[in-house]
Amino acid sequence: RKEVEQDPGPFNVPEGATVAFNCTYSNSASQSFFWYRQDCRKEPKLLMSVYSSGNEDGRFTAQLNRASQYISLLIRDSKLSDSATYLCVVIANNAGNMLTFGGGTRLMVKP
Amino acid sequence: DAGVTQSPTHLIKTRGQQVTLRCSPKSGHDTVSWYQQALGQGPQFIFQYYEEEERQRGNFPDRFSGHQFPNYSSELNVNALLLGDSALYLCASSLREQYFGPGTRLTVT
Repeated sequence: RKEVEQDPGPFNVPEGATVAFNCTYSNSASQSFFWYRQDCRKEPKLLMSVYSSGNEDGRFTAQLNRASQYISLLIRDSKLSDSATYLCVVIANNAGNMLTFGGGTRLMVKP
Repeated sequence: DAGVTQSPTHLIKTRGQQVTLRCSPKSGHDTVSWYQQALGQGPQFIFQYYEEEERQRGNFPDRFSGHQFPNYSSELNVNALLLGDSALYLCASSLREQYFGPGTRLTVT
């Protein structure tokens, strides 16, 4: 079983739609959680950190459920420019700052 | 302020050869991590360097080795290349948050 699992998609949505991605992690000692965005053939870039209380950044909302060991990302009012692969990332308590990535979820926003 | 830079951008090697990839961290960053990203997969941690020493290592064979220089730049060396080593190799530098370079795309034929 992979440490961090994501539905690879693709999620094909129209502009303006709301879309949600989930991610599950297996290591209960995981302490830090992030969503990264990766455009085709580019490097991953930090989208947002995920806090226990949930957090919002504009159209993006991230939530963490420690009991069920999953993380979610909600994108409201999707834009064409949101088309990318979204990577769920965790850091285990005993792993320094080694990032463990999920396989990514591909989002395609259509006009 | 230059971000993380990597060289070369692309590289083609044949099986059995050796390769060296280079990374210059973001200004002020002292820690460099290397990741391998196969096509369609998420990046996988190879190792991390801090103060010129390997601080952590992922599940990669000894064919993968590295080095960090006093100016914090780093090299990743892969010996006895296999077809399966074809991937995007990403370098990330950090003080706390990790910033990724554009990667080196290695193709082994």
